[in-house]
Amino acid sequence: DSGVTQTPKHLITATGQRVTLRCSPRSGDLSVYWYQQSLDQGLQFLIQYYNGEERAKGNILERFSAQQFPDLHSELNLSSLELGDSALYFCASSPRLIINTGELFFGEGSRLTVL
Amino acid sequence: AQRVTQPEKLLSVFKGAPVELKCNYSYSGSPELFWYVQYSRQRLQLLLRHISRESIKGFTADLNKGETSFHLKKPFAQEEDSAMYYCALGQNTGTASKLTFGTGTRLQVTL
Repeated sequence: DSGVTQTPKHLITATGQRVTLRCSPRSGDLSVYWYQQSLDQGLQFLIQYYNGEERAKGNILERFSAQQFPDLHSELNLSSLELGDSALYFCASSPRLIINTGELFFGEGSRLTVL
Repeated sequence: AQRVTQPEKLLSVFKGAPVELKCNYSYSGSPELFWYVQYSRQRLQLLLRHISRESIKGFTADLNKGETSFHLKKPFAQEEDSAMYYCALGQNTGTASKLTFGTGTRLQVTL
């Protein structure tokens, strides 16, 4: 499958802990986006990377950080976890910097549960 | 700030009935609007974009700048249309890009 791949699919951890979510974009896509979906909320934009550089930031907490590596995969690091961080975290990719056509290709998401 | 509002969490219709999924937006610039869909056990995917003025799977959406709306319509609902639908607003600054999503509406088509 050459689509967007996210690992892990599910993760259960305790408050105060730190986790890393990983995303591999579609082959050839240079732009990676991270979104958070909490209960009863839409997808909240967190951050965009393009070819290794941060390009746009949304409502991303200071406890969260991300990066995109030379092989274009991306990681989202969540630290000092709180109960409210429990959510589905989506990664999406697109070929270009600008979404002219609006098409983002989404992964299946990583479900994080903080107990 | 940009915002997308989908007032209905759930819309239940009978097969063959018309469907209208509502979407309103708030944006100071020239809007680019999209509908995404997530079928059961599938990934979120683009359904249609306003700029293309296309009909996909019988669905259409017209951008109404006066009412700041981008409602999704289909004249006759099918069972396979049951899914989660998200309206999204695109923002491009020239050096960055993002989509702002609404909270989504679950469409349930019953026999």
